[in-house]
Amino acid sequence: GIQVEQSPPDLILQEGANSTLRCNFSDSVNNLQWFHQNPWGQLINLFYIPSGTKQNGRLSATTVATERYSLLYISSSQTTDSGVYFCAVVKTSGTYKYIFGTGTRLKVLA
Amino acid sequence: GAGVSQSPSNKVTEKGKDVELRCDPISGHTALYWYRQSLGQGLEFLIYFQGNSAPDKSGLPSDRFSAERTGGSVSTLTIQRTQQEDSAVYLCASSSGGIGYGYTFGSGTRLTVV
Repeated sequence: GIQVEQSPPDLILQEGANSTLRCNFSDSVNNLQWFHQNPWGQLINLFYIPSGTKQNGRLSATTVATERYSLLYISSSQTTDSGVYFCAVVKTSGTYKYIFGTGTRLKVLA
Repeated sequence: GAGVSQSPSNKVTEKGKDVELRCDPISGHTALYWYRQSLGQGLEFLIYFQGNSAPDKSGLPSDRFSAERTGGSVSTLTIQRTQQEDSAVYLCASSSGGIGYGYTFGSGTRLTVV
């Protein structure tokens, strides 16, 4: 099956720092999403990005589908960015496969 | 409604009992997704509905799990003969079109099987 790996597994930043989170996947996919789970467990969809680059405020994401990776950039990090960031890929040929990575746990220090 | 509503928020059940979990999507959202998050197992996709139809049920972990959606709105996830390994937070999300449109999660149902 499709393998989804995220790196780094853990990250600690000072407020104001920038960071890049990576998601590698082992097969061609039809969709890719990035999610943020805050420390209270609430999940938010950040990006739907099967290819190309998107930006939303201080966050941006780039997926290079041909090379099977996606990057999530966080600029000028804030303490509210703390939590776990997950990527998930979807492959719809044959059976429907929707696979999550194991996440990057981010802590932003004031 | 304004958001995705899941009920109950917490459920403790005895091993072997059946449980029903409910998800009320955002009004007008045609797609609905079920996931679960177990300690040590991460996030796992279970099933999705487009309207009332679930095109692929292969993500359900066993035949004790079933899901339905009626009227293009409310969905229920039923677990029969619960086992301790079913303990997890069950999450629901809905979107207004394809996977990228207005994708919103509920707060989840925490299921504990004792």
